[in-house]
Amino acid sequence: NAGVTQTPKFQVLKTGQSMTLQCAQDMNHEYMSWYRQDPGMGLRLIHYSVGAGITDQGEVPNGYNVSRSTTEDFPLRLLSAAPSQTSVYFCASRRTGSAPYGYTFGSGTRLTVV
Amino acid sequence: LAKTTQPISMDSYEGQEVNITCSHNNIATNDYITWYQQFPSQGPRFIIQGYKTKVTNEVASLFIPADRKSSTLSLPRVSLSDTAVYYCLVGDTRAAGNKLTFGGGTRVLVKP
Repeated sequence: NAGVTQTPKFQVLKTGQSMTLQCAQDMNHEYMSWYRQDPGMGLRLIHYSVGAGITDQGEVPNGYNVSRSTTEDFPLRLLSAAPSQTSVYFCASRRTGSAPYGYTFGSGTRLTVV
Repeated sequence: LAKTTQPISMDSYEGQEVNITCSHNNIATNDYITWYQQFPSQGPRFIIQGYKTKVTNEVASLFIPADRKSSTLSLPRVSLSDTAVYYCLVGDTRAAGNKLTFGGGTRVLVKP
């Protein structure tokens, strides 16, 4: 049981490049989300999904796209990287249902845009 | 979404009990209170969750007064490895459509 797996762990991009951050979970969790964390700051929600084929925006969605074609995968796409997107990105998942469940987080992707 | 307020930082010493209070004045009836721990260069880790009164697990205790407008995370006999940022999160973690947001967290430094 691997939990939430994020790839790559580190990435350097040039301004204007695009890339996809991968996130996969093997716990059959319905809910998945992407957060970014800037140095010394808390986490800010980018996008989230409540199931395959369903996504919605969080607090800071501009410049990012997501899709959820399967329960397991929730990739985050940077359309045209900007230095302001330099951050650590965390993917998280949780169950949903009649009981409250906590999030399981991945280990993060550290992105630098130059 | 219920807004939370926590102290920015706290210092403690090994073996002491650390209590972190989170204020959430506009908590909704269906909201739960959840605490996470984050070490540098790692994702947050679930610690404890509760709705009212007291919850205890092998890591921490969570105290919630009757009005639920605040909560206190208690870490007994901390060690150096408990140095981390602790986040208080308030929301209905049952619902599928919930987008839960994190506040700034409390940076706890445990000294020898």
